[in-house]
Amino acid sequence: TQLLEQSPQFLSIQEGENLTVYCNSSSVFSSLQWYRQEPGEGPVLLVTVVTGGEVKKLKRLTFQFGDARKDSSLHITAAQPGDTGLYLCAGAPPSNYQLIWGAGTKLIIKP
Amino acid sequence: GAGVSQSPSNKVTEKGKDVELRCDPISGHTALYWYRQSLGQGLEFLIYFQGNSAPDKSGLPSDRFSAERTGGSVSTLTIQRTQQEDSAVYLCASTLTGIGGYTFGSGTRLTVV
Repeated sequence: TQLLEQSPQFLSIQEGENLTVYCNSSSVFSSLQWYRQEPGEGPVLLVTVVTGGEVKKLKRLTFQFGDARKDSSLHITAAQPGDTGLYLCAGAPPSNYQLIWGAGTKLIIKP
Repeated sequence: GAGVSQSPSNKVTEKGKDVELRCDPISGHTALYWYRQSLGQGLEFLIYFQGNSAPDKSGLPSDRFSAERTGGSVSTLTIQRTQQEDSAVYLCASTLTGIGGYTFGSGTRLTVV
């Protein structure tokens, strides 16, 4: 069974600080997706990374896919209160339609 | 529609009653998923529909849970004889082909009292 370990589970930091969230697996994924979920809403897709070593930037958010396509990270620079939410990573196994989900990182940015 | 629509948004039911949750996916999306999420945690896969293929029911936790998708569009998730441990947010998602990013509905928060 493929697993995707996400860390940390919970992070509470002050506005302006930087942070990194990690998703790690011993298995290879054909792609990896990052979602953000706010209370009372469903997860919203932020980005999909496909190529080993790929880096994508979305304003202050930087997403990396590991060279071996087994891990990924999300780095937020100068975090804002609007970044608060539950961040979920999800990996797409090769030849399988079903995403493997991380357990989520609950992020709180204090003003 | 413009997005995935789920109803009701909230449901409180008594233990032992049956409930039906509805999902209306994005028009043209052939793949539809149901997930369960407890207390802001990760997602637990329940069931997957793809076009006219037989659904993947491997995530349904017990035979009290069932789902159908009529005409390749609207789906209903039915929980019979609800138990307190069924309390959770039930999320529906659709994708165009079964690969790529998912579009989620806002979920149904089910509380069994």
